[in-house]
Amino acid sequence: AQSVTQPDIHITVSEGASLELRCNYSYGATPYLFWYVQSPGQGLQLLLKYFSGDTLVQGIKGFEAEFKRSQSSFNLRKPSVHWSDAAEYFCAVGAATEYNFNKFYFGSGTKLNVKP
Amino acid sequence: SQTIHQWPATLVQPVGSPLSLECTVEGTSNPNLYWYRQAAGRGLQLLFYSVGIGQISSEVPQNLSASRPQDRQFILSSKKLLLSDSGFYLCAWSRDSLREQFFGPGTRLTVL
Repeated sequence: AQSVTQPDIHITVSEGASLELRCNYSYGATPYLFWYVQSPGQGLQLLLKYFSGDTLVQGIKGFEAEFKRSQSSFNLRKPSVHWSDAAEYFCAVGAATEYNFNKFYFGSGTKLNVKP
Repeated sequence: SQTIHQWPATLVQPVGSPLSLECTVEGTSNPNLYWYRQAAGRGLQLLFYSVGIGQISSEVPQNLSASRPQDRQFILSSKKLLLSDSGFYLCAWSRDSLREQFFGPGTRLTVL
């Protein structure tokens, strides 16, 4: 069965420090991978996506993520965190079902706090 | 450009009352539509998805139902709310099932 694991529930980093949020997935084929960000009480905004090709993908707000097939991982990174990055981050994998329909499976999220 | 709307933004309802949450998408045609529920401290649970008018697929047995009366309208309903129906409900759309989903602002439902 498909699943997504975000092992860190909460992470606190200092403003200006680097950030890496972990995401591991379980899926038999090459997945479609996504990172979303959610501010409190808001919907989810797409940060970046991976479908195929270059395994290092660039997103909005200075984020990037790297797909590592051997590790079944799609970790999100940012070299220098800003206070406005404080939010909850969700990793998702799109996987084909028996009806060839792509369903999204979301991780449980990682809440990022940024210290001034 | 495409936009997605949800209303109401917040809702407080007594147990046993009916529910109707609405989601509409503008700027695209024949989108795939999705309803998710987000419980506190948990990820998103897919409730329903629809690939066309009148076509609804349910992911989990529950007290809720969904309908798609028009191409860009998706409604989440219940005849009698339970306490466990409280949560944050998100509507999303995608161009097709292989592509990224775009989320609405959500509805915070509290059942008392």
